[in-house]
Amino acid sequence: DGGITQSPKYLFRKEGQNVTLSCEQNLNHDAMYWYRQDPGQGLRLIYYSQIVNDFQKGDIAEGYSVSREKKESFPLTVTSAQKNPTAFYLCASSPWTGRTEAFFGQGTRLTVV
Amino acid sequence: GQNIDQPTEMTATEGAIVQINCTYQTSGFNGLFWYQQHAGEAPTFLSYNVLDGLEEKGRFSSFLSRSKGYSYLLLKELQMKDSASYLCAVMEPGAGSYQLTFGKGTKLSVIP
Repeated sequence: DGGITQSPKYLFRKEGQNVTLSCEQNLNHDAMYWYRQDPGQGLRLIYYSQIVNDFQKGDIAEGYSVSREKKESFPLTVTSAQKNPTAFYLCASSPWTGRTEAFFGQGTRLTVV
Repeated sequence: GQNIDQPTEMTATEGAIVQINCTYQTSGFNGLFWYQQHAGEAPTFLSYNVLDGLEEKGRFSSFLSRSKGYSYLLLKELQMKDSASYLCAVMEPGAGSYQLTFGKGTKLSVIP
C-alpha cells in the first residue's frame, strides 16, 4: 500500500543529544515537508523540499537540519541547539504541482528528558 | 510570508450546522486546504479550493473568495465524531517551490 511512514512513534532524548526522525514515502511525491506541533497549537513549518538534494527553511528552522538524498526519504535531525524540542513532529508529502493535498505520516512524539 | 487566521474554539450542537472561517494574507496563492485533526493524530484531508466558489463533499463544504482572502468550512448534520481541530492551510508558490502554511486551527466541540 502507498503511504508515508514516520518512525519511531515515540522518542525520548536526553538533553544535549542530537536525534534523527525518519520519514519515508512510496507515493512518488516530489515535495516533502516537516512540521512541528505544540499542544493546542497549529502546525509550524520547519523545512520543506521540492526535489532531491534541495530543501528550504520554513518558519522555525533554527536547531533543525534535514537531508534529501533520495526522493523517498526526508529525515529530520533535531540538534542540541534546539532549545525546546519536546513536540509532536509531522512529516507530509505532496505531488510537485501543489494542487493536490498533502498526505501526512502518523507523527513522532519527541520528549526530552 | 503568510498570515492565516481562524477562531481558536467553537462549540455546536449535534445535528446542527457550523461554519468555520479562515482569512489569509499572502503574496502568492496556489490553493487553500482544509484538514481535520483528532487529538494526537495526523491531519486528514477534507477539501481543496483554488477557484472562487463552493465545493461540496457530503456533509462538508468549503468556500473560497480569493479577492477577499477568505474561506469557510461548513459542516452539516453534526455528529459527535466531528469533534476535532480543523486546520486551514494555504499553498504559496515560491522560487521553484511550494510552501504549505497552516493556521493555528479551530477546535470544534460537538455537544449532545
